[in-house]
Amino acid sequence: DAGVIQSPRHEVTEMGQEVTLRCKPISGHDYLFWYRQTMMRGLELLIYFNNNVPIDDSGMPEDRFSAKMPNASFSTLKIQPSEPRDSAVYFCASSFGFGGLEGYTFGSGTRLTVV
Amino acid sequence: AQSVTQLGSHVSVSEGALVLLRCNYSSSVPPYLFWYVQYPNQGLQLLLKYTTGATLVKGINGFEAEFKKSETSFHLTKPSAHMSDAAEYFCAVSDGRGSQGNLIFGKGTKLSVKP
Repeated sequence: DAGVIQSPRHEVTEMGQEVTLRCKPISGHDYLFWYRQTMMRGLELLIYFNNNVPIDDSGMPEDRFSAKMPNASFSTLKIQPSEPRDSAVYFCASSFGFGGLEGYTFGSGTRLTVV
Repeated sequence: AQSVTQLGSHVSVSEGALVLLRCNYSSSVPPYLFWYVQYPNQGLQLLLKYTTGATLVKGINGFEAEFKKSETSFHLTKPSAHMSDAAEYFCAVSDGRGSQGNLIFGKGTKLSVKP
């Protein structure tokens, strides 16, 4: 398996623009997680899905953020409109089971810079 | 509720010296415990895990950790540091069994290795 695949690796956008981050989880994994990492706040869980259904989005900072998982092999995280404070590295992770025996497998992340 | 405390946000050792990264957890049930490593500009990788059985677990790159229930600790050690060990290390805990329980991450410890 190629692991969790995220795209793009880097994204630079202007304030006010829409940004879409993409994630392909490991085949057979039933949980998918979106995290944000910043120097100030560390690793934050934004939202997670189970069998494509959003379960907990309490970590999503505000309504400008939305996430979807239309099928078992694809998820998106959208920010509209983007703001400079959204600059961070966004990670997608997947797992078999919630916090189960194998832990989570992380993608390489998308480094977002909003100018 | 579960929690993870990593003592020391930065640890610096000399090449060849002992590496000790501290992790204490809080969990109401026997936990699953994990250490992840993040190299610069990469995602988190699973280093080692404790689920059940032997309390001393060995991971990749010569790292090991010992689960001490009486001390609620899961410290990470390596007898001799190598320059390539410079990275950020995250401890995580889950009280899940199968589909239950979330993976809670500590704030991370950045390890520097001096020549």
